Amino acid sequence: ETGVTQSPTHLIKTRGQQVTLRCSSQSGHNTVSWYQQALGQGPQFIFQYYREEENGRGNFPPRFSGLQFPNYSSELNVNALELDDSALYLCASSLTGQAPNYGYTFGSGTRLTVV
Amino acid sequence: AQSVTQLDSQVPVFEEAPVELRCNYSSSVSVYLFWYVQYPNQGLQLLLKYLSGSTLVKGINGFEAEFNKSQTSFHLRKPSVHISDTAEYFCAVIFTGGGNKLTFGTGTQLKVEL
Repeated sequence: ETGVTQSPTHLIKTRGQQVTLRCSSQSGHNTVSWYQQALGQGPQFIFQYYREEENGRGNFPPRFSGLQFPNYSSELNVNALELDDSALYLCASSLTGQAPNYGYTFGSGTRLTVV
Repeated sequence: AQSVTQLDSQVPVFEEAPVELRCNYSSSVSVYLFWYVQYPNQGLQLLLKYLSGSTLVKGINGFEAEFNKSQTSFHLRKPSVHISDTAEYFCAVIFTGGGNKLTFGTGTQLKVEL
């Protein structure tokens, strides 16, 4: 059973640029959630995808967008990067309806630095 | 308002001593409760969870937590810590009706010293 894989592990971007982060779900999981973890903070929910559609969103602006593919992998896109977007971005997969019972499996994250 | 509070940002403790990491939440709906651990440069690993039933739950690595509904708390405990327990610990809550998203506390850095 494979876990959640995220790529890249580290990334440096310039303010105003666009970035795409990728996530491969754990085998058998059909729901993907993305979280932003700023330095010294707990993870904050960005959004969740199920059946290739956004299925819940946190308090993040529209320049944060995502995709889910038929194989349940996912992308997080951030446009017009700001310095405050510097953070660890975590992807978590789960099985819809079973998240409380079986929990989420988290990837190791992508560390994004905006300069 | 629904929120999760971890009162201690850092907890230093000597090896083999007991430790308690505190977590309180505020909610008008039912909750599911979780503790996650994060080692440096890694993602989150589930330690234990409370969904229903017995209020004392046991997790991996010798950790346990007790759900106290009247005090809206879910404190994490370990009777004897090891150097390898040094990590960041996050309490997280799913508020029912909120779409199964996890709401995290700000974390507690556990530092185990010799």
